Amino acid sequence: DTGVSQDPRHKITKRGQNVTFRCDPISEHNRLYWYRQTLGQGPEFLTYFQNEAQLEKSRLLSDRFSAERPKGSFSTLEIQRTEQGDSAMYLCASSPRDSNTEAFFGQGTRLTVV
Amino acid sequence: GENVEQHPSTLSVQEGDSAVIKCTYSDSASNYFPWYKQELGKRPQLIIDIRSNVGEKKDQRIAVTLNKTAKHFSLHITETQPEDSAVYFCAASRPLQKLVFGTGTRLLVSP
Repeated sequence: DTGVSQDPRHKITKRGQNVTFRCDPISEHNRLYWYRQTLGQGPEFLTYFQNEAQLEKSRLLSDRFSAERPKGSFSTLEIQRTEQGDSAMYLCASSPRDSNTEAFFGQGTRLTVV
Repeated sequence: GENVEQHPSTLSVQEGDSAVIKCTYSDSASNYFPWYKQELGKRPQLIIDIRSNVGEKKDQRIAVTLNKTAKHFSLHITETQPEDSAVYFCAASRPLQKLVFGTGTRLLVSP
């Protein structure tokens, strides 16, 4: 499968624990996005990388959230001290170098905080 | 920043009817407008997109229209089929920027 892959697919964690998700974009896609989606809502932007540079971070993103893309390939999203309100589907998407083309989504990581 | 509004939130049609979903955007610098289909438990998948240099684009039973002056764009699905049932999201973005999504339309096509 040469699409965007995310790991894990599902994560159940206790409130207060830290979690880390991984996204592997399509090879040679230089743009990588993280979105969060809750039931019945559209994907909500979290952060965006072009190569290894984090170019934008949502104002809605608390300091408990951090993302990296150290070598411009895969990316990780970490949530520290999880809260029940963090329960959601976390989607990763990647786009190629060209201006404004399709964002390809991964299957997401569903986080449940209990 | 960009704000995208989408209507209706739910749409029920009979098989064979047409369905229209409408979106408005606020940022006049946005120039890319994709539509995604998301089936239950699956990833959003692009079904059609349009750029600001064209007013209409068609792909078989699906078409999208764009009115830059009014800042709105619409998805048209003709001859709907039960497998068209899903949640549809519109989005808008500036060049090389993030996609901003609408709140989604749940389409139900009854046989």
